[in-house]
Amino acid sequence: DAKTTQPTSMDCAEGRAANLPCNHSTISGNEYVYWYRQIHSQGPQYIIHGLKNNETNEMASLIITEDRKSSTLILPHATLRDTAVYYCIVRVNTDKLIFGTGTRLQVFP
Amino acid sequence: GAVVSQHPSWVICKSGTSVKIECRSLDFQATTMFWYRQFPKQSLMLMATSNEGSKATYEQGVEKDKFLINHASLTLSTLTVTSAHPEDSSFYICSAWRLADNNEQFFGPGTRLTVL
Repeated sequence: DAKTTQPTSMDCAEGRAANLPCNHSTISGNEYVYWYRQIHSQGPQYIIHGLKNNETNEMASLIITEDRKSSTLILPHATLRDTAVYYCIVRVNTDKLIFGTGTRLQVFP
Repeated sequence: GAVVSQHPSWVICKSGTSVKIECRSLDFQATTMFWYRQFPKQSLMLMATSNEGSKATYEQGVEKDKFLINHASLTLSTLTVTSAHPEDSSFYICSAWRLADNNEQFFGPGTRLTVL
């Protein structure tokens, strides 16, 4: 079973920041938090991952709480092309990825 | 970035026939590849882990004799759906874990299988 809980769906206005929450209260000390997204009928796309510290790359920022029981993916300026299902996954570094139900993000004009 | 390809991108076959799907890592070597299945409006379900040079490891409930996996080289894994039936119609996606980058898996574009 997936070890994360995410809202089923969210809306975001184009140009605004999209903040996608994820709960992973049973995360272990050696498990990373990964975020992937899947645009309709395509393979998942890697976004970002982190262990303890906040991370930022050209796509997004990942904020992990100090107790590591939850995290937030931030898309700073959402565009229509960011409409997708976003998956938060926790895993040990070399383990397989188990997908939960994800959050369906709809970016509207 | 790393690229994973799948072939074919879509296939239609008659019930009872077998279908082979290829997954290739184009610019890196992948000791481990994964096969997923996704039904409409559902999440990805991991079917099996494919390891180069050894037998695949199947997830609980996945029939290994029906979904044959071969990982003969560091850049190619194949999934064969044997004696396909309409309920096998699905979106099949592979991913590859790059040897030099243990932190990231790269996904293929998926193969849409329709069994008539």
